[in-house]
Amino acid sequence: GQQLNQSPQSMFIQEGEDVSMNCTSSSIFNTWLWYKQDPGEGPVLLIALYKAGELTSNGRLTAQFGITRKDSFLNISASIPSDVGIYFCAGLNNFNKFYFGSGTKLNVKP
Amino acid sequence: DAGITQSPRHKVTETGTPVTLRCHQTENHRYMYWYRQDPGHGLRLIHYSYGVKDTDKGEVSDGYSVSRSKTEDFLLTLESATSSQTSVYFCAISVSGRETQYFGPGTRLLVL
Repeated sequence: GQQLNQSPQSMFIQEGEDVSMNCTSSSIFNTWLWYKQDPGEGPVLLIALYKAGELTSNGRLTAQFGITRKDSFLNISASIPSDVGIYFCAGLNNFNKFYFGSGTKLNVKP
Repeated sequence: DAGITQSPRHKVTETGTPVTLRCHQTENHRYMYWYRQDPGHGLRLIHYSYGVKDTDKGEVSDGYSVSRSKTEDFLLTLESATSSQTSVYFCAISVSGRETQYFGPGTRLLVL
């Protein structure tokens, strides 16, 4: 099936630092989504992107839909301990099927 | 939280036994999905439904069946559970099938 390559797999950062993660694919997507998952919980939607080039913010989070429609990135500014969790990207293709990246595990040291 | 509940939240069963997981939503969304989540694989689609009695297969549908007799309920059945089906199962909904998905809290299944 289609693959979303998400990187990095894990990150260890200091509180207050900025974080950047991205997803790439060999296929085009029409929608890019970013989710956060806490242990024992379901993924929670953070940001949705619907147009190539779109840049959207949600508080300290900013995400962009790549111009080629094959990639997206998520930035977190001034990280805090509650940012800890696993972040997933997801893409919706031309056949209305969603595909998910394998996740970026974020650890924040106070 | 999009009004999605899953039951049970945890289950331990033995190989060869049938298992049914339930997803319930309160907002009459048309599209419902079942995913499994395993380390290193992210979320993989098992089956989805685009209306009452309308379902289709996802990328990992072997060994699973689904039913949707009411808008609010989407059932996932493992006809004869195997150890490879040990996983965390998530239900999701979307309004039109072309936009964002919202997830339930998950069911952790262990097949011994």
